[in-house]
Amino acid sequence: GAGVSQSPRYKVAKRGQDVALRCDPISGHVSLFWYQQALGQGPEFLTYFQNEAQLDKSGLPSDRFFAERPEGSVSTLKIQRTQQEDSAVYLCASSLRNGFTDTQYFGPGTRLTVL
Amino acid sequence: AQKVTQAQTEISVVEKEDVTLDCVYETRDTTYYLFWYKQPPSGELVFLIRRNSFDEQNEISGRYSWNFQKSTSSFNFTITASQVVDSAVYFCALSEAQETSGSRLTFGEGTQLTVNP
Repeated sequence: GAGVSQSPRYKVAKRGQDVALRCDPISGHVSLFWYQQALGQGPEFLTYFQNEAQLDKSGLPSDRFFAERPEGSVSTLKIQRTQQEDSAVYLCASSLRNGFTDTQYFGPGTRLTVL
Repeated sequence: AQKVTQAQTEISVVEKEDVTLDCVYETRDTTYYLFWYKQPPSGELVFLIRRNSFDEQNEISGRYSWNFQKSTSSFNFTITASQVVDSAVYFCALSEAQETSGSRLTFGEGTQLTVNP
């Protein structure tokens, strides 16, 4: 496809369940980012991949959050033992190269609701 | 640490009015990029503009214009002759060169713009 795609678009989980959120970046894009957007706030950085290497995971809020990009394309953000405070929109973005001059293009997000 | 402030939480205008969205940023770097994104109700962040710290020329794109002033650390966005379709949340963002973080973006809190017919 032409843009970044994410699935599912909506996810409802019971507290304590594990969830997996998928991101398909723009084809050929080297860099991939995950952001978390709480209701009424701006997105906040979670983690960054350059190809398959996870170069920065400093934004992950706890060790329940795990991300991977094993073949340098599709990425999965996994949240274990979900808590209510994990409810948010999770946005994925990709950019062409690995330099900071590049523009990030965002997907539509996955809205996670933890009951 | 870098920070972006969008002091206007909500703005409401009538169609055809001009509206300016304010953005003030903080950074210790001399080299950085500034961005504006639009987030319509569908939720996807739509890229509008990117500006580097060495280019202070104002930019115009159709009804949109941007005013970058390094002296006041501001990067304001003006929509001329607003339309109902401009209704959205607008985010200002900043990126700095970081060795391991690529170009992670720091976002402001966003401004909800409502254009009424």
